Amino acid sequence: GAVVSQHPSRVICKSGTSVKIECRSLDFQATTMFWYRQFPKQSLMLMATSNEGSKATYEQGVEKDKFLINHASLTLSTLTVTSAHPEDSSFYICSARSRTGGGGLQPQHFGDGTRLSIL
Amino acid sequence: AQKITQTQPGMFVQEKEAVTLDCTYDTSDPSYGLFWYKQPSSGEMIFLIYQGSYDQQNATEGRYSLNFQKARKSANLVISASQLGDSAMYFCAMREIPGYSSASKIIFGSGTRLSIRP
Repeated sequence: GAVVSQHPSRVICKSGTSVKIECRSLDFQATTMFWYRQFPKQSLMLMATSNEGSKATYEQGVEKDKFLINHASLTLSTLTVTSAHPEDSSFYICSARSRTGGGGLQPQHFGDGTRLSIL
Repeated sequence: AQKITQTQPGMFVQEKEAVTLDCTYDTSDPSYGLFWYKQPSSGEMIFLIYQGSYDQQNATEGRYSLNFQKARKSANLVISASQLGDSAMYFCAMREIPGYSSASKIIFGSGTRLSIRP
């Protein structure tokens, strides 16, 4: 079963609306969560990395005030697209990684994505 | 900086044939992990296989195997006996392992769209 739950799976809303997307780790503590954006027929582009209890680290070119990320607990991160416009329409995918242990490579799990359409 | 290259935007393969999807990478970090993900049209990312930079043997998972050639910095995915359900986008990805680099994030290649013909 899914270990990362992303909600909602699809959003259609009017321009100017703010949209919140939730990403939850279901059976592990996610110290680090990642938010990706994917345009049609393109690859996943990392938007930001968030660590629980601290500010997110945004990739170059990603507007911090536009894409608000909150990682308030070890199982929940949210991405809020503020004042969304048609150019923000995209597929957004979150990913969660568990705590570091033994210096090895921790598994990284992906949500099923959110398809955002701004009219 | 790490980089992943997939040079095949699309491939058509006959059902039951084997297929190789190419992936080359570049990193200055000695410790890294290589991944392959499958993304069907529904959008979810399905983990297929993982290879660590220090692994001596090529990774295998059922019909999937990873042809890891470290000196050439390539990590090709081989799918044996392809099935119609294998039709999807396939992404190669890489992550530098913590402890050697602060940039411990997964980056993806541009992807290969695989279409299986009946």
